[in-house]
Formats: sequence, structure tokens, C-alpha cells
Amino acid sequence: DGGITQSPKYLFRKEGQNVTLSCEQNLNHDAMYWYRQDPGQGLRLIYYSQIVNDFQKGDIAEGYSVSREKKESFPLTVTSAQKNPTAFYLCASRKDITNSPLHFGNGTRLTVT
Amino acid sequence: AQSVTQLGSHVSVSEGALVLLRCNYSSSVPPYLFWYVQYPNQGLQLLLKYTSAATLVKGINGFEAEFKKSETSFHLTKPSAHMSDAAEYFCAVSPQGGGYQKVTFGTGTKLQVIP
Repeated sequence: DGGITQSPKYLFRKEGQNVTLSCEQNLNHDAMYWYRQDPGQGLRLIYYSQIVNDFQKGDIAEGYSVSREKKESFPLTVTSAQKNPTAFYLCASRKDITNSPLHFGNGTRLTVT
Repeated sequence: AQSVTQLGSHVSVSEGALVLLRCNYSSSVPPYLFWYVQYPNQGLQLLLKYTSAATLVKGINGFEAEFKKSETSFHLTKPSAHMSDAAEYFCAVSPQGGGYQKVTFGTGTKLQVIP
């Protein structure tokens, strides 16, 4: 079955360390997205990409970086510059059609202490 | 700029009662609208979507939503709540048109179903 795989499910890091969250999809979708979820704040867009080697900042891109070297993969790096990195991170993809829905992975819960 | 407002961060209903979750959007032109459901520690799953084909949209698990342009609303309803409906629900909006398109989410409504 096609879908989106995020790994790991839980991630623990010390403050000051960079960490990379994996996102892989086999849906043949062009567009991919990273969202951050905090209690009571809904989902906030970090980065999105419509094609390989191109991506756009979302609403809260500071302290994050991404790459899109392959259509299937869109890893997110949480850098030490991100002030409050502890959150639930969701990766999503969709066809390159604006009325198509997002398909989500099961998320990565990052805890930084 | 588009935005979505979900009224009520928590809603409680009795099992078998009507479920009504509210969503209002702000957009210069009618957008595409979506409802998603999220169970704890999982990703979001699509319930239904409005893409201007019909104003009353039926989704999975007995949910439906009605697009009302005059009220800029897209409220989610289900005639009879089931215990398994307890989850968090998100309304989302995506503008019509080509190019890069952001999907904007509301802050979510947690539904509690009381036995």
C-alpha cells in the first residue's frame, strides 16, 4: 500500500544538537509539506516543496532546514537555532492539484532537553 | 490571506447525540475546504472535502459538511455520535488556483463522547 513513512516515531535530543527527521512517500506525489503541531495551536507550516530541488518557507521556518533531492524524500533538520523544538512533527504530501487532500504520515514526536 | 477559525477547542456530546463542529473561513474567493480527524499520536486522516461540485459533502464514518458561502462556513455534522468518534478534528483551507498552494489549518476541536 502507498503511504508516507516518518521515522523515528519518538526522538530525544540534547539542547544544542541538530536532528534530522525522515519523511518518505511512495504515492508519487509532487508536493510535500512539513507541519509542526503544538497543543492548542493546530498545525503550522514549516516548509513545503512542489518539485525536486525546490522548496518554500512556510509560516515558521526559522531554525529549520529541508532538502528535496528525490521526489520521494523530504527530510527536515531541526537546528540548534530553533528556540522551542519540542513538538510533534507531521509530514504530508499531495498531488500537484490544489483541490487534492493532504496525506499524512504518523508523525515524529521530538523532545529536546 | 486565507484563514480558518474553529469555534470551540473542546466539544462534549452524549453517545447518540448530534455532533456539530464549527468552521468559518476567510478568503477573497471561495476556497477548497477540508475536514480531517486525528487520533492520539497519529497523523491526520481526511474525513471529507469541498471542491465546489456540491455544497453538501458526505464523508467517511457518517460525517457530512455543508458549504455556506453567505456565512463563510463549513460546519461538520454527524447525526449520532459514537464512542469511536472521540478525537481531534481540524478544518483546513486551500486557495483555488495554480502554483504553490499553502494549506492552512484551524486550531482544532477535541470531541469528547460521553457514554
